Parts: sequence; structure tokens; C-alpha cells
Amino acid sequence: NAGVTQTPKFQVLKTGQSMTLQCAQDMNHNSMYWYRQDPGMGLRLIYYSASEGTTDKGEVPNGYNVSRLNKREFSLRLESAAPSQTSVYFCASSDLRRTDTQYFGPGTRLTVL
Amino acid sequence: TQLLEQSPQFLSIQEGENLTVYCNSSSVFSSLQWYRQEPGEGPVLLVTVVTGGEVKKLKRLTFQFGDARKDSSLHITAAQPGDTGLYLCAGDPKSGGSNYKLTFGKGTLLTVNP
Repeated sequence: NAGVTQTPKFQVLKTGQSMTLQCAQDMNHNSMYWYRQDPGMGLRLIYYSASEGTTDKGEVPNGYNVSRLNKREFSLRLESAAPSQTSVYFCASSDLRRTDTQYFGPGTRLTVL
Repeated sequence: TQLLEQSPQFLSIQEGENLTVYCNSSSVFSSLQWYRQEPGEGPVLLVTVVTGGEVKKLKRLTFQFGDARKDSSLHITAAQPGDTGLYLCAGDPKSGGSNYKLTFGKGTLLTVNP
């Protein structure tokens, strides 16, 4: 099992460009999450999907959209990237019955110039 | 917003030393998790503690959940360079493990020098 996979691993964008970060899990988990990690700020939840067909805002949703494509895949879209969105983005998944136990992907390092 | 305060923020020690890192809150958590994150990688779950006073051991790592379920500690015995990394605690403020919004601490960056 690959666990949680993310693509791309690195990305550089110019201000105003758009992109989609992809995430997939093969653990048959119902719930999936997108976090960003910034120095001194810890992990902050952007959006989550409790189950297929549902998505909800987390702590810092502004400037992002998500799509739960199917049970395996959860994508994060930046419609018009801003330098403040320079960060490391992590996708995670969990079983619906134990959402306190989350499994993380390797991350995407995004730089917005 | 329930906060988790981790201390110390940075810790640099020599191989073979013992250390303890702390995760504290004024709020009660139904469970608490510890993760380790290596440079360029995502956090990896080490342990989940759910019962007040619970102690779990993972080889040289000992995790304790406070009696009041407001705090936790991670003790490493005879640290090795392979223990180097960012240690994160995270808490679930709701009972039943069905809350989707974990609270994360900012982490303790541990460096173990050979």
C-alpha cells in the first residue's frame, strides 16, 4: 500500500496563476483533509471531507477550493495564487470512526512569486 | 479555539541523553496524538492516547496522557541521531473520535548530535 500520495512534490507559480494539488489514498478511508504548514504556525486545516460527497471549511479556507472526486481522491485548487499561499501543503486521511488518527502524505512545497 | 502549547520549541542534545517534551492545554481533550516529522516529509503518527493517566511505550519513547486529559509528555531515553525531527502533538477536543478538526501544537524541533 502506498498510503497517501500527493502530486506534485514541488511547484513554483507566479502571482495570479492557478493550479490544482492532487491527493489520493489507498487505505479505504472515508475522511480526507488538506493542511498547510508554515514556520512558527504549525499545521492549519484548510478544508476537509468527512465522506465522499461532502466538504467543509477548516481554519484557513480563503483562496482555496476543494473537490472530493471519489472516495480515494481529494484535490485542492488555488484559483489565483498569492505570495501568502507560499507554504507546504499536506493531505491526510482517516477512518470515519477514528478521525483523530490521521495519516499524512509527503507534502507539496509551493512557492508563489 | 483550544490551543496546545508545546515546549521546548527547540532542543539540541547529545546522543545518549534523555529528554522530555511537553504538550499542554487549558482544555480537555478526548484523545491526544504524537507525530514525528522528518525534513521534507509528512508527519508520521507515533501514538494515540485516550485515557487520562495512560502511559504508552514505543521502544525508547514513553508517552503519558495527563490525569485530567489536558496535557501530555513524550520522554525519550538514550536519544539517537535517528530521533532527530519535529515532534508534533495534536488533540481531539470532542469525545468519540469523530471530530474532524484536530488541534495541532507548533512542534518541538529535536536535534540529536552524534
